[in-house]
Amino acid sequence: KQEVTQIPAALSVPEGENLVLNCSFTDSAIYNLQWFRQDPGKGLTSLLLIQSSQREQTSGRLNASLDKSSGRSTLYIAASQPGDSATYLCAVIGSARQLTFGSGTQLTVLP
Amino acid sequence: DAGVIQSPRHEVTEMGQEVTLRCKPISGHDYLFWYRQTMMRGLELLIYFNNNVPIDDSGMPEDRFSAKMPNASFSTLKIQPSEPRDSAVYFCASSLGRGEGNEQFFGPGTRLTVL
Repeated sequence: KQEVTQIPAALSVPEGENLVLNCSFTDSAIYNLQWFRQDPGKGLTSLLLIQSSQREQTSGRLNASLDKSSGRSTLYIAASQPGDSATYLCAVIGSARQLTFGSGTQLTVLP
Repeated sequence: DAGVIQSPRHEVTEMGQEVTLRCKPISGHDYLFWYRQTMMRGLELLIYFNNNVPIDDSGMPEDRFSAKMPNASFSTLKIQPSEPRDSAVYFCASSLGRGEGNEQFFGPGTRLTVL
């Protein structure tokens, strides 16, 4: 059974810092990996989707990498802003198209 | 496109009552997923459909839960009878299954409180 772990569970940084969120998964036979953002009391917003054949994806200040062989992904956020404060969730998609989620990293960017 | 639409956004009911949650997927998407989010268990897949057919309902907690997808633009998740432990946020998501994309798009969720 696929298990997804995210470290750290919570992170607090001053504005302007670059930061890395980590995600690991136990079964490397994944189809894709998706990073989401969730604001308090809100739904999930898709940030980046990395296909299994790719090693990274970039969108603005966000960069996500994928290393299938080691079962790891990282989300890099450059020049963090208070508006980046949210919970970031990593999810892997197996061949059955089911998303298995990590428990998330709660990010607080202090002004 | 309006994205995935869910209703109601909030539902408060008493134990034993029937609850029906509704979802309209993104037009053209052929996969629809129902998830539940709680503090204790995080996000869990309950059931998913492909072309209106239920494919995997192994995540449905018990027989009190049922889901239907009568057509490509509508799905319901029903709880009967509801219990306090069913209190959670229920999300619907959809995706386009063809190709390598498979990116899932989530609705805003329904926050259910069972008293």
